[in-house]
Amino acid sequence: DAGVTQSPTHLIKTRGQQVTLRCSPKSGHDTVSWYQQALGQGPQFIFQYYEEEERQRGNFPDRFSGHQFPNYSSELNVNALLLGDSALYLCASSLTVAGAETQYFGPGTRLLVL
Amino acid sequence: AQSVTQLGSHVSVSEGALVLLRCNYSSSVPPYLFWYVQYPNQGLQLLLKYTTGATLVKGINGFEAEFKKSETSFHLTKPSAHMSDAAEYFCAVSRSGGSEKLVFGKGTKLTVNP
Repeated sequence: DAGVTQSPTHLIKTRGQQVTLRCSPKSGHDTVSWYQQALGQGPQFIFQYYEEEERQRGNFPDRFSGHQFPNYSSELNVNALLLGDSALYLCASSLTVAGAETQYFGPGTRLLVL
Repeated sequence: AQSVTQLGSHVSVSEGALVLLRCNYSSSVPPYLFWYVQYPNQGLQLLLKYTTGATLVKGINGFEAEFKKSETSFHLTKPSAHMSDAAEYFCAVSRSGGSEKLVFGKGTKLTVNP
């Protein structure tokens, strides 16, 4: 059973550029959440997608946007990159049904903005 | 709003000694509580979770945690540390299940000395 996969594993961009990160959820899961983990910090919630719609959003600017496809995979887009966007971006998948409590995380994409 | 405080950003123990990682939470609704572990350059792996019912929760790799509502705590313990336990540990809270965002603490880095 494949777990959550993310691509690419590493990425280097320069300020002002745009980046797209990709996530495939665990088999059978319908919900994808994205988190940003800055160096030395805990993950912070960016947003969550369910049924191809953004369902919840954390305290991140509009430069951060996303998409969910009919096969439940998801993309995270960041425009006008800032140095402070350098972080590990984690995707988590889950199932939106009663009793399904756990979010399963992928290995992350490490983004470096120069 | 929910929040998590992890006391001690770094904890060092000897191999075979007790591991105690502290987590206190704040939540206006009955919380769901989680401990995740992160090994270097990897994503997050679920150790254990509390949703409802029994307050003492057992997880993988010999870890357990006890939910104490009166103390708003969910401390993680392991009777005997192993070298392979060296990692960063994150406590997280959510309002309910997989459809709700996780709010993480800043993490505790565990070092195990031979």
